[in-house]
Amino acid sequence: GENVEQHPSTLSVQEGDSAVIKCTYSDSASNYFPWYKQELGKRPQLIIDIRSNVGEKKDQRIAVTLNKTAKHFSLHITETQPEDSAVYFCAAGGNKLTFGGGTRVLVKP
Amino acid sequence: NAGVTQTPKFQVLKTGQSMTLQCAQDMNHNSMYWYRQDPGMGLRLIYYSASEGTTDKGEVPNGYNVSRLNKREFSLRLESAAPSQTSVYFCASSGQVIGYEQFFGPGTRLTVL
Repeated sequence: GENVEQHPSTLSVQEGDSAVIKCTYSDSASNYFPWYKQELGKRPQLIIDIRSNVGEKKDQRIAVTLNKTAKHFSLHITETQPEDSAVYFCAAGGNKLTFGGGTRVLVKP
Repeated sequence: NAGVTQTPKFQVLKTGQSMTLQCAQDMNHNSMYWYRQDPGMGLRLIYYSASEGTTDKGEVPNGYNVSRLNKREFSLRLESAAPSQTSVYFCASSGQVIGYEQFFGPGTRLTVL
């Protein structure tokens, strides 16, 4: 089955700096790669996703890149703000998703 | 639209007791999922239902059973609860036509003593 590794497990950045989270996956049949944000005690919520026929996607301060050959994808958050502090999860698959272990992001004012 | 709803929000069980977690969605989605999330960890798939009338095992199915009652509802049953099943359980749904995005319910926090 699919295996998703996510790094780093924790990330502390200064407000205004950029944050980068990286994930690798194992199953070349995976064709959908979403990123979820989970605030403490809340449900995961989709922030951006990318499909296998696209290399990069951007939505305001958030961008995701996908390298299918190397089987890795990354989340980039620019101009970080305190409200970006949360746990972020990557996932890979199609109709069925396998999630990474999560990255706890702390944005220091 | 309520989206994905789950009941109960909290539950405490004793080892060996049984219970059913309920999930419903009002988005006319075909696929529904049950995940568990242990402290400081990611989401692990227990069971999923790609469409009404079908169910399949996920990564951690042991100790659980599911029922896709109709297109809206997908329940998760613990027949004989164990302390290792203490976790937060999330239900999710996906309308495949829109590209697999999964919408999550608010979660059920289960403690097994």
